Amino acid sequence: GESVGLHLPTLSVQEGDNSIINCAYSNSASDYFIWYKQESGKGPQFIIDIRSNMDKRQGQRVTVLLNKTVKHLSLQIAATQPGDSAVYFCAGLQGGSEKLVFGKGTKLTVNP
Amino acid sequence: DTGVSQNPRHKITKRGQNVTFRCDPISEHNRLYWYRQTLGQGPEFLTYFQNEAQLEKSRLLSDRFSAERPKGSFSTLEIQRTEQGDSAMYLCASSREFYGYTFGSGTRLTVV
Repeated sequence: GESVGLHLPTLSVQEGDNSIINCAYSNSASDYFIWYKQESGKGPQFIIDIRSNMDKRQGQRVTVLLNKTVKHLSLQIAATQPGDSAVYFCAGLQGGSEKLVFGKGTKLTVNP
Repeated sequence: DTGVSQNPRHKITKRGQNVTFRCDPISEHNRLYWYRQTLGQGPEFLTYFQNEAQLEKSRLLSDRFSAERPKGSFSTLEIQRTEQGDSAMYLCASSREFYGYTFGSGTRLTVV
């Protein structure tokens, strides 16, 4: 089956710096991944997604990189702002299912 | 359209009581998902509907849990004979096709 995990439970950065949040997955058949941001008391908010036929996808201030060889993806946030402080989850699509499998999350703290 | 709506936002119940949560998806979305999230963990899949058909259920969904989506629009999740271990955030999500899940803000259940 699929398992998705994050390398670090917490990440602290200075305002204006770039942030990188990493995620590893186990199921090589996974073909779709999503990064979510979750603020306290709120549901997960979609940030960016990527399909397995891509290596990189960019959004506004965010970039997701997918390395299928080592089953690793990362979320890069440029010029991190205090409003980026939240818990970030990666989620993977389990092959043959519409069930997203989430990791435990990385708490990002942006220091002014 | 204001997104995925969940009610109530908070529910406190005594052990052994039944509770029911409601989810109103984004109007044109035909897929609806229920997830459960405990403190410090990522969301865990419970069940999924395509229109009114319940197509997938997790082993987490014990016989005390039942979900319905009678007309392919809103959905309800009922928990019978609640236990303290049922305390969690219950999240609903919807999508038009699979890609791009949108989550609601969740219902936080506390069983005392």
